[in-house]
Amino acid sequence: AQSVTQLDSHVSVSEGTPVLLRCNYSSSYSPSLFWYVQHPNKGLQLLLKYTSAATLVKGINGFEAEFKKSETSFHLTKPSAHMSDAAEYFCVVSDTGSASKIIFGSGTRLSIRP
Amino acid sequence: EAQVTQNPRYLITVTGKKLTVTCSQNMNHEYMSWYRQDPGLGLRQIYYSMNVEVTDKGDVPEGYKVSRKEKRNFPLILESPSPNQTSLYFCASSLLGQGNYEQYFGPGTRLTVT
Repeated sequence: AQSVTQLDSHVSVSEGTPVLLRCNYSSSYSPSLFWYVQHPNKGLQLLLKYTSAATLVKGINGFEAEFKKSETSFHLTKPSAHMSDAAEYFCVVSDTGSASKIIFGSGTRLSIRP
Repeated sequence: EAQVTQNPRYLITVTGKKLTVTCSQNMNHEYMSWYRQDPGLGLRQIYYSMNVEVTDKGDVPEGYKVSRKEKRNFPLILESPSPNQTSLYFCASSLLGQGNYEQYFGPGTRLTVT
């Protein structure tokens, strides 16, 4: 069975400082992992995805994430936060096995202080 | 323009009055899915479809129905809505149906059941 846990419901950082949003997962098969971003009153947009290629994945807007199988983690990072990064971020897992269910984490709200 | 459209965007209805939320995609995607988003719970999958006439339950299917008679359309039906179905609903589509490809999301439908 799949599950995903986002360890922080809210993260607040100052503009220009690093961002770390944490995600742990469990999966019975080889997982595919995604990070999506949702800006206020908007739909969801893909930031990046891991699908068993390189373990360090680069996404849009300077975000990246590293797949660590031994730690079952897929944390999202960015070296320097920008005010426009303020949004809700979702970690998502799906199995590449027979089931095609997709599981979202509960979300992390990122706030940026000027 | 590649997109997923949902209608209506906002809906207020009363308990027990049947309603349908439409979803359509123009990308020839095999996989389509419905989610509901509630505060603190992230997105939860209601139903998904791997292709025409192939649908399956997600994590929270109770009180919902779907159909997939055409590849581009995946309507969500609430036969007898109840207040606990008040939520923000998203439709999404992707290629191949194995969950390891980017999902494209519609703009969302905000449903209130009184």
